[in-house]
Amino acid sequence: NAGVTQTPKFQVLKTGQSMTLQCAQDMNHNSMYWYRQDPGMGLRLIYYSASEGTTDKGEVPNGYNVSRLNKREFSLRLESAAPSQTSVYFCASSDGNTGELFFGEGSRLTVL
Amino acid sequence: AQSVSQHNHHVILSEAASLELGCNYSYGGTVNLFWYVQYPGQHLQLLLKYFSGDPLVKGIKGFEAEFIKSKFSFNLRKPSVQWSDTAEYFCAVKIYNFNKFYFGSGTKLNVKP
Repeated sequence: NAGVTQTPKFQVLKTGQSMTLQCAQDMNHNSMYWYRQDPGMGLRLIYYSASEGTTDKGEVPNGYNVSRLNKREFSLRLESAAPSQTSVYFCASSDGNTGELFFGEGSRLTVL
Repeated sequence: AQSVSQHNHHVILSEAASLELGCNYSYGGTVNLFWYVQYPGQHLQLLLKYFSGDPLVKGIKGFEAEFIKSKFSFNLRKPSVQWSDTAEYFCAVKIYNFNKFYFGSGTKLNVKP
C-alpha cells in the first residue's frame, strides 16, 4: 500500500538549474495535484490534473510546468530554479467518490 | 478565487485543555469541508470531513467539527487535548463538483505536557 510516492525527498539546486519532481499513485485516482507549502501560507496549489491528459493552473503556476504522463504519474518541472521556489512540495491524489486528498511525504527543495 | 481563513496561527495549550480552531470560507454554494493534520516531519493526513447530512462530524482521535452554513464556518474541536496532538492543522474546502481544493494557512498547535 504505497499510496502516493514522490521523489526526491530532498534536493538542493543552484539558481538557474532545472529539475523534475516525480509523483506516482497506486490508488487508481483520476485527479492529481501539486502543492507548495511555505511557513504561514498553508498549501498553495501549483497545478492540478483532473484526469489523464489534462492539466490546469492553480494559484501559483509561474515558473513551473507539469506533465500527466499516465493515470499514475504526475511530474512537476522547474525549468530555471529561483530562490523563491525554495519550499516543501507535496503531491496529492483525489478519490472522486469521497473527495479526500491523499498526500505524498513531501519534497524539500532548496534553491541557493 | 475562493478563500479559506484560519484565525489562529499558533495555539499553545496544556494537556487536558479544550481546543477550538476556527475556519471560515468564502464560497456561497455547496462545498465539501475537510480538516487535515500534519504531525512534525510528516505529510498531511485526513482528520475528518463533511459532505452532507449531520453538520456535526466526528473524526479520528476524538476530534469533531461543526458545519454552520449561515456562518460559512467549519470549526474544529476536541474536549481534552493530549501532548500527541501537537501538530499543524489545516482546514480545506472543495467546491462541489469541482476538482480544486483550497487550504487555509494552517494553525500550529503546541500542547504542553
